[in-house]
Amino acid sequence: DTEVTQTPKHLVMGMTNKKSLKCEQHMGHRAMYWYKQKAKKPPELMFVYSYEKLSINESVPSRFSPECPNSSLLNLHLHALQPEDSALYLCASSQEVNGYNSPLHFGNGTRLTVT
Amino acid sequence: AQSVTQLGSHVSVSEGALVLLRCNYSSSVPPYLFWYVQYPNQGLQLLLKYTSAATLVKGINGFEAEFKKSETSFHLTKPSAHMRDAAEYFCAVSESQGGKLIFGQGTELSVKP
Repeated sequence: DTEVTQTPKHLVMGMTNKKSLKCEQHMGHRAMYWYKQKAKKPPELMFVYSYEKLSINESVPSRFSPECPNSSLLNLHLHALQPEDSALYLCASSQEVNGYNSPLHFGNGTRLTVT
Repeated sequence: AQSVTQLGSHVSVSEGALVLLRCNYSSSVPPYLFWYVQYPNQGLQLLLKYTSAATLVKGINGFEAEFKKSETSFHLTKPSAHMRDAAEYFCAVSESQGGKLIFGQGTELSVKP
């Protein structure tokens, strides 16, 4: 069982819908991440939060809006997505942002389909 | 800039055979290297990490990797493959600051009975 919990596991949404992905960890980690993964590809970093503040935005389109309400929770708000945004969205956490000292712990992801 | 190259997008072995997944890195500073495994319909799980303490790193599920600076390699091995090892394996290098992981393209391991 993973220590990073993501909900929902599957999500189908239309291009005009607004939905949110949720991620929760209770390991006391201070860094949280959103990744996007297409089939047969490595994960691509989208956002990094460190101590509840956004520290990295990898030039992600504004139709993706992250939110970190507290140190245990991470949300990804979705609006007006395109079919090419269909992918597996992975949340991860680490003790600190310095990856070499604190490996990432991943959730099992949300499989998103945009119709 | 740091980068990772995984040689072979797909590797197939027989059950009980040696597993060898290749990873070469490029880094201008001492690298921090990782192997992650992704089982179908799951997230990534850390197998092992190299952080300069020892060149031979032992991980979970019987996997190990050896850091060879002269060859800029960090190949993953397991003496005897099991059916449950079938998965996607990613080698990754960490940037020195910011915690950004640079992933290789991944190697899909198939295990034949």
